[in-house]
Amino acid sequence: SAVISQKPSRDICQRGTSLTIQCQVDSQVTMMFWYRQQPGQSLTLIATANQGSEATYESGFVIDKFPISRPNLTFSTLTVSNMSPEDSSIYLCSVGVGQTRTGELFFGEGSRLTVL
Amino acid sequence: AQTVTQSQPEMSVQEAETVTLSCTYDTSESDYYLFWYKQPPSRQMILVIRQEAYKQQNATENRFSVNFQKAAKSFSLKISDSQLGDAAMYFCGIIQGAQKLVFGQGTRLTINP
Repeated sequence: SAVISQKPSRDICQRGTSLTIQCQVDSQVTMMFWYRQQPGQSLTLIATANQGSEATYESGFVIDKFPISRPNLTFSTLTVSNMSPEDSSIYLCSVGVGQTRTGELFFGEGSRLTVL
Repeated sequence: AQTVTQSQPEMSVQEAETVTLSCTYDTSESDYYLFWYKQPPSRQMILVIRQEAYKQQNATENRFSVNFQKAAKSFSLKISDSQLGDAAMYFCGIIQGAQKLVFGQGTRLTINP
């Protein structure tokens, strides 16, 4: 299993500013994932972050808007840049356990961002 | 691309009764994994049950079981003896590639005491 801590838990931000969300895992993991959950909706994958390489972004998400860092095997950050009210969402970090696609994912409690 | 569809935005059940949540999916892969995740008000996603596509036997975890119909691409979740703590959003999902999970729209389950 894996225990994931996300910071901040919630924040209220002003339009045009940027916010960095931190994700800390209690064990070393190869793959970390960032998801967005807009109000009342499902989770959408933003990007996959592997240590030592550029993050891989899903369609509709770009690095300039959502830069990601992965400095080591237990930590990652997601920045939401130049925020607008449409960015108001819950952002969740998750990790895969094991090296195969059969592994289950563990999630943090999410960071709820409200953009005014 | 893989897709997951949950046609029931909301469901409710009396405490101690049984409820079934529906999920259909589409994939071109022959080997894949299906999941049900629960998201309580705390927001943390919790794995409820997992099914390997190559296994014909339906997965079971205590009060939770699935009805996996591979040909019909259906993967429903049955919750027996519903408890108040089961109230949550339930998301069906399929593994795409290396641990990239694609989720359905979710079903909000309410338990009536």
